Amino acid sequence: QVQLVQSGAEVKKPGASVKVSCKASGYTFTSYDINWVRQATGQGLEWMGWMNPNSGNTGYAQKFQGRVTMTRNTSISTAYMELSSLRSEDTAVYYCARASGICSGGSCYYMDVWGKGTTVTVSS
Amino acid sequence: DIQMTQSPSSLSASVGDRVTITCRASQSISSYLNWYQQKPGKAPKLLIYAASSLQSGVPSRFSGSGSGTDFTLTISSLQPEDFATYYCQQSYSTRSITFGQGTRLEIK
Repeated sequence: QVQLVQSGAEVKKPGASVKVSCKASGYTFTSYDINWVRQATGQGLEWMGWMNPNSGNTGYAQKFQGRVTMTRNTSISTAYMELSSLRSEDTAVYYCARASGICSGGSCYYMDVWGKGTTVTVSS
Repeated sequence: DIQMTQSPSSLSASVGDRVTITCRASQSISSYLNWYQQKPGKAPKLLIYAASSLQSGVPSRFSGSGSGTDFTLTISSLQPEDFATYYCQQSYSTRSITFGQGTRLEIK
């Protein structure tokens, strides 16, 4: 079945970096974008950016420009999200999600498969 | 960035009720509007994409409508498993995808 399996929970100190992985299975990894979305405890969903696994092209939310890097290893169908200069406000659950633009008319872009999330805790 | 405003922020309803959640965009987004359901401790689940297309496997009691700036998610007859938080999301600009703040649907 189609799924995204994320790496395990991380605890980091302020100023450090974290790299979360997202392994895809059940579909052709290079055919769909991977997006990253985070959620602080009790808060809403916050989009961080997207990556095209085929080209490696990326687009990042302005808030994270300069601090986030999204990469991939197509040989193992895995996407990565690295966030640097961590601060306490980055404590959250980080989700990867597959994005599709397949619909009648072609005017769509939606996240149809999600990983279970990776908890990142930033604490001194 | 395109701002997405959901209303209400929270809602109490009973099993069997018809419920409508509204989402308004700060500028026209055509039909690039998706709806997600999230239960505590779980990842979001896609319900509706392109404003009105039902995702495969999602019960037909869920429906979406709208275009431009105003959108609605309707649940025709609430079931116990529908109590959750619902988010709209615009993807008109993939340079800056944004979510609404969420609507928490609670049991009355």
